[in-house]
Amino acid sequence: AQSVAQPEDQVNVAEGNPLTVKCTYSVSGNPYLFWYVQYPNRGLQFLLKYITGDNLVKGSYGFEAEFNKSQTSFHLKKPSALVSDSALYFCAVINYNFNKFYFGSGTKLNVKP
Amino acid sequence: EAQVTQNPRYLITVTGKKLTVTCSQNMNHEYMSWYRQDPGLGLRQIYYSMNVEVTDKGDVPEGYKVSRKEKRNFPLILESPSPNQTSLYFCASRGSSTGTGVYNEQFFGPGTRLTVL
Repeated sequence: AQSVAQPEDQVNVAEGNPLTVKCTYSVSGNPYLFWYVQYPNRGLQFLLKYITGDNLVKGSYGFEAEFNKSQTSFHLKKPSALVSDSALYFCAVINYNFNKFYFGSGTKLNVKP
Repeated sequence: EAQVTQNPRYLITVTGKKLTVTCSQNMNHEYMSWYRQDPGLGLRQIYYSMNVEVTDKGDVPEGYKVSRKEKRNFPLILESPSPNQTSLYFCASRGSSTGTGVYNEQFFGPGTRLTVL
């Protein structure tokens, strides 16, 4: 069965500091992984995805994610956080026949000025 | 503008009163899906559709129905809503379910906040 886990309900970081939002996955077969962001009263927006290839994936708004097969992780990172990055972040995985998506429980990122 | 629309955005109803939440996309996407979002649980898939007249259950389909008579529309039907269906609902679509399109990201609607009293 496919699943993702986001071990932190909340991450607090000061503006200008690097941020990491953690995600670990469990899949049968190759992992196809996604990160989405949700701003208040909005739907989810796509940030980036890992399908194959380079383990460091770059996405929207300066975010990147590092795929680590041995640790079954796909952590979201940004070198320098902005207050406007404050939002709810979801990691997701797609199942082997590409019709079901599994989301993590979400991590609330708070970036303080 | 490419988008997924949902209506209504907010709905308060009573137990047992049938309701429909509409979802429409203008991107000619084959794949559409419904999710519910609950605190601490993330998003859980209710139903999905790979194309017109092709629907299947997600992880939490009990108490819900869907239909896909047209490519652009994918309504969610609650025949007899109960308080445990109080939640935030999202519709999403994705282009091309075949070939490399299966890796495409989903586009989400703005959400429908449903309260069942």
